[in-house]
Amino acid sequence: SQTIHQWPATLVQPVGSPLSLECTVEGTSNPNLYWYRQAAGRGLQLLFYSVGIGQISSEVPQNLSASRPQDRQFILSSKKLLLSDSGFYLCAWSADSYSGPQHFGDGTRLSIL
Amino acid sequence: AQSVTQLGSHVSVSEGALVLLRCNYSSSVPPYLFWYVQYPNQGLQLLLKYTSAATLVKGINGFEAEFKKSETSFHLTKPSAHMSDAAEYFCAVSDPGGGTASKLTFGTGTRLQVTL
Repeated sequence: SQTIHQWPATLVQPVGSPLSLECTVEGTSNPNLYWYRQAAGRGLQLLFYSVGIGQISSEVPQNLSASRPQDRQFILSSKKLLLSDSGFYLCAWSADSYSGPQHFGDGTRLSIL
Repeated sequence: AQSVTQLGSHVSVSEGALVLLRCNYSSSVPPYLFWYVQYPNQGLQLLLKYTSAATLVKGINGFEAEFKKSETSFHLTKPSAHMSDAAEYFCAVSDPGGGTASKLTFGTGTRLQVTL
């Protein structure tokens, strides 16, 4: 069966520090991968999606970047965090390009001080 | 551009009562529609999805939703609420056009409270 792992679960970082959140998927090949951010009291905002290794599409101009070094690994990064980067970050995957993200990780709660 | 409106950020029902969570969408093409549930400090779990087949879609945990094109709605229902249904529910819409990863537009969510 397919599983998705996301870590860390919680993270507290100072303003200006770097960030690296990792997501891995097991039990499937060539998944579509997604990074979402959920701010308090708001819906989910798509940040990045990837249809294959090295292929990243950015949805919102921002302080963050994403990379996909391996088929089932998706990394969210920042060189210098801003206060506005606080939120709940969710990784997700789908088996095809039509059905939407069907499987989400448990998320990383990021607090910027 | 697509958009989703979830009427009511908070809904409270008694255990055993009907659950009705409202979702209206806007899309320039026939959409795909989704409902997700999120329990505290967890990711989202897909409840059900509409992808242009039957307009009444049955999902997990006894939930179902009906696609009504004339009303541009995709309301989520469950005949009898259970305490374990207390969670946040998100409606989402996507453009079924292929070639790229399916990108969903989410509503702002409805928090369901179930009381004794």
